[in-house]
Amino acid sequence: QQPVQSPQAVILREGEDAVINCSSSKALYSVHWYRQKHGEAPVFLMILLKGGEQKGHDKISASFNEKKQQSSLYLTASQLSYSGTYFCGTEKRNSSASKIIFGSGTRLSIRP
Amino acid sequence: DAGVIQSPRHEVTEMGQEVTLRCKPISGHNSLFWYRQTMMRGLELLIYFNNNVPIDDSGMPEDRFSAKMPNASFSTLKIQPSEPRDSAVYFCASSLDQTAYEQYFGPGTRLTVT
Repeated sequence: QQPVQSPQAVILREGEDAVINCSSSKALYSVHWYRQKHGEAPVFLMILLKGGEQKGHDKISASFNEKKQQSSLYLTASQLSYSGTYFCGTEKRNSSASKIIFGSGTRLSIRP
Repeated sequence: DAGVIQSPRHEVTEMGQEVTLRCKPISGHNSLFWYRQTMMRGLELLIYFNNNVPIDDSGMPEDRFSAKMPNASFSTLKIQPSEPRDSAVYFCASSLDQTAYEQYFGPGTRLTVT
């Protein structure tokens, strides 16, 4: 039920690009991306609500492939401020309610 | 707005004691979530409320855990009795609605049970 994120960790030099993947064995209704810096609370990045949707701001973007049941987060020309743990959350629905289940996270470290 | 407010920020208690964590969501938000985060288990949803009503408590570990939301501006998560394995960071988050909107997380309460 928990989405699977890959890779678990990645180390980049400043200016390099990264891709973080999130996949689910169940149908995806929406995908939520958050970033958490060490010792802080998770902070919202973006939500993708429709299959095929792509969003982005400030060199961070994401895509949602409903058919493949996966989403990817793209970080372009990474900056030191991008360091942290990235979580994807997928929506789980039942007959009465829905909720977001978070993956185990991808730890991103950016070196100068 | 001040954002989601949680108290206390740190709590150290002995095994067997009752622990109460408090949360004030952002005004106007209809949904409130309680999460627990540990290295081993990651970020787990314990329970969430919509319009002050508990919607899904399937993530509550056991009967020692209980949560209430008596009004739109206040929620509590209680652990009684506490055990060392309850040590974790507990986050409260709120959003406009259940799943289609971003969640705003509070700063968290770091709980240590000795």
